[in-house]
Amino acid sequence: NAGVTQTPKFQVLKTGQSMTLQCAQDMNHEYMSWYRQDPGMGLRLIHYSVGAGITDQGEVPNGYNVSRSTTEDFPLRLLSAAPSQTSVYFCASSYSEGPGYTFGSGTRLTVV
Amino acid sequence: AQSVTQPDIHITVSEGASLELRCNYSYGATPYLFWYVQSPGQGLQLLLKYFSGDTLVQGIKGFEAEFKRSQSSFNLRKPSVHWSDAAEYFCAVGAHGNTGKLIFGQGTTLQVKP
Repeated sequence: NAGVTQTPKFQVLKTGQSMTLQCAQDMNHEYMSWYRQDPGMGLRLIHYSVGAGITDQGEVPNGYNVSRSTTEDFPLRLLSAAPSQTSVYFCASSYSEGPGYTFGSGTRLTVV
Repeated sequence: AQSVTQPDIHITVSEGASLELRCNYSYGATPYLFWYVQSPGQGLQLLLKYFSGDTLVQGIKGFEAEFKRSQSSFNLRKPSVHWSDAAEYFCAVGAHGNTGKLIFGQGTTLQVKP
């Protein structure tokens, strides 16, 4: 099925561990982005990309890295997990300027 | 800086009643505006979007929204709410020429009474 696929759906990490959240889309969308969702704060942009090889920071980039080597994939790396990174993470993609992003189903991350 | 405010954190309406969810934005130029809905444990689904042209936009599930430039608002409406509309609703703004970025409001949780 066409769409945005995120893996894993759930993850528990210990403080200091690193991991990569995977995001893949099969719609040939140029734009991809990562958000975190916390209660009462809506979704906040972590990093985004307007094409392969191009990434930029959003509102809350600290502690996260991204790269975009292909159009399809946009992984999010946590370098050294902290309890403050406990959240639900959403990946989204879009064709081009403004048609509305398609969101994945999310990854629920708990850092203990 | 861009920002989006959804003044109502929680709204309760009776089934069959009309609904209006408020959204105010702050942005220097004409923005792209979106409404998304999120059911518990799910991702976000696009309800409708405004880019330009007609300021009254129609979306899925019987929703509509009106862009009012003078009030910097993009309120979401539905004439008759169904129990299945209970969810969290997010307003978002994206900038022309920089739509790698969406700024979201805090969300409004809608509860529907039978």
